[in-house]
Amino acid sequence: DAGITQSPRHKVTETGTPVTLRCHQTENHRYMYWYRQDPGHGLRLIHYSYGVKDTDKGEVSDGYSVSRSKTEDFLLTLESATSSQTSVYFCAIAPTGFDEQFFGPGTRLTVL
Amino acid sequence: AQTVTQSQPEMSVQEAETVTLSCTYDTSESNYYLFWYKQPPSRQMILVIRQEAYKQQNATENRFSVNFQKAAKSFSLKISDSQLGDTAMYFCAFNAGGTSYGKLTFGQGTILTVHP
Repeated sequence: DAGITQSPRHKVTETGTPVTLRCHQTENHRYMYWYRQDPGHGLRLIHYSYGVKDTDKGEVSDGYSVSRSKTEDFLLTLESATSSQTSVYFCAIAPTGFDEQFFGPGTRLTVL
Repeated sequence: AQTVTQSQPEMSVQEAETVTLSCTYDTSESNYYLFWYKQPPSRQMILVIRQEAYKQQNATENRFSVNFQKAAKSFSLKISDSQLGDTAMYFCAFNAGGTSYGKLTFGQGTILTVHP
């Protein structure tokens, strides 16, 4: 398995609180991604990074921000969590933008 | 906008039989990559097979093969000799160049159940 970890794996929080999810890789891949998975929608891209400090928005980026200060870490922040952000969040990595992506184990986030 | 459509929300098959999952996509790009991912109950996303659009030959990986029809923008997955461990959600995805370089677009998924 590609060396990708996500933390935490499960989190329950309350509406209005800030939440940060961490993705850590040991593969030295350039590209890193955050997706959310919801029933009936497949996986949808939130944000991605194509290098340290280089990030771009995906199709569902509202309410989320990201940061990448090191090659190995990609953080996803919900500044003020809402119930609509209850989801399973996946991190993925890839060596180039055209390669297959390798996925982390996912984080289940519940916002009450 | 680039889209991926999986028209079969659920499929079932008997063990040892063959099943085909459908996927259509829409893009204006001429070069792109297509993927099938499997997500078993463990939730881990696993790559099953990939196809490069400029290659005429359909990709195969053991019991898994694709039928890639570029003109029709169709990319179906055939699973032969189905096994109980094939029970999972299957996602079709593609990665195009141009302004969407680096981004995977996923279909909604097909739940496949293999019965003994």
